[in-house]
Amino acid sequence: DIQLTQSPSFLSASVGDRVTITCRASQGITSYLAWYQQKPGKAPKLLIYAASTLQSGVPSRFSGSGSGTEFTLTVNSLQPEDFATYYCQHLNRYPPYTFGQGTKLEIK
Amino acid sequence: EVQLVESGGGLVQPGGSLRLSCAASGFTFSYHSMNWVRQAPGKGLEWVSYISSSSDIIYYADSVKGRFTISRDNAKNALFLQLNSLRAEDTAVYYCARETISVVRGLMREDYYYYMDVWGRGTTVTVSS
Repeated sequence: DIQLTQSPSFLSASVGDRVTITCRASQGITSYLAWYQQKPGKAPKLLIYAASTLQSGVPSRFSGSGSGTEFTLTVNSLQPEDFATYYCQHLNRYPPYTFGQGTKLEIK
Repeated sequence: EVQLVESGGGLVQPGGSLRLSCAASGFTFSYHSMNWVRQAPGKGLEWVSYISSSSDIIYYADSVKGRFTISRDNAKNALFLQLNSLRAEDTAVYYCARETISVVRGLMREDYYYYMDVWGRGTTVTVSS
């Protein structure tokens, strides 16, 4: 099965900062990667799919890039509501659907 | 409004059983594959099970294979997860999630991208004596 490793696991930043989270796959997955945001006590929310396609309604300060084994999620000009935990996920035609271990973005 | 609402969670003893339900509304349920994803307290997300739109293809995570059973009733817009032989490590919030496919058509090929775009609020399962 494909493993996804996110880095860093914890990230401290300030409002207005630009942050980048990396997700590395144990083998090539072309662009079959999604990113989710989760706030405490809430369900995950889809941000990006196909590695770089922004889900409808998601602010344009979020962007995704990468293909193969290395992917990044970038948040430009952090807003207070962006402090949350972020997960990458590999999905293809059929499971297993692997998640990364998560990156918790905290206010500095 | 597109919505998924889980129910059926609760406190159960080790070795016990529970049946989780997920009620779908606001979209054509029978068009979508569905998934269950869980999250243990303080931990990350773990995919649990998948069922295709017509129930002909089913997958389970190794951690639940042989103990959990996924099913759906398209006439009632409902998804289910039967949890048997429960263990302490099954304690988690269980989410149902809709799977959607996006097709990207190029000159020579089509690419299909999958993602979970609608999630319920979750139902909590606690396995403890």
